[in-house]
Amino acid sequence: SAVISQKPSRDICQRGTSLTIQCQVDSQVTMMFWYRQQPGQSLTLIATANQGSEATYESGFVIDKFPISRPNLTFSTLTVSNMSPEDSSIYLCSARPGGQNIQYFGAGTRLSVL
Amino acid sequence: DAKTTQPPSMDCAEGRAANLPCNHSTISGNEYVYWYRQIHSQGPQYIIHGLKNNETNEMASLIITEDRKSSTLILPHATLRDTAVYYCIVRGAGSYQLTFGKGTKLSVIP
Repeated sequence: SAVISQKPSRDICQRGTSLTIQCQVDSQVTMMFWYRQQPGQSLTLIATANQGSEATYESGFVIDKFPISRPNLTFSTLTVSNMSPEDSSIYLCSARPGGQNIQYFGAGTRLSVL
Repeated sequence: DAKTTQPPSMDCAEGRAANLPCNHSTISGNEYVYWYRQIHSQGPQYIIHGLKNNETNEMASLIITEDRKSSTLILPHATLRDTAVYYCIVRGAGSYQLTFGKGTKLSVIP
């Protein structure tokens, strides 16, 4: 299994600002994922982040709005840029350890934009 | 990846078995069935997955029909802590993505 820690757990931000969310995994993993969960909705994949390559974004999500870093095999960040109230969501980090067919999730970052 | 259909909500009495159905009639031969749950305000928690055979672990059992078009997640003795949204997801062997639907909101009642 993998234990995933996210920081911050929650934040309240002003529109127009940016927030960087950190995700730390307790073991080396090849694949990491970032999801968004809007209020009352299910999870939507934002992007897949592999170490050593550019993140792959899903339809509807762009790098300028959600830049991602993946500097090593245990860490990733997601930045929510130029925030608006529509960005108020829970952002979740996920990782898939090598050799396993299971994705594990962090507890999420609850973001409110005023 | 195949789509799944789940009832939006279910109730279960505490201590009884909770049987959560999932329909995945368009599943193909190399696609796995995964179950996750999300307890309020937490990240999704992996429960179990399978390809063809029934599977059991310390949390639950997964029963997959012979034609693989549907499955049932069984929580043998539901407790109040099992109240959550349960997601049935079909994922191809060559795919790394999990596509979450709306899931089933299970309420365990004292």
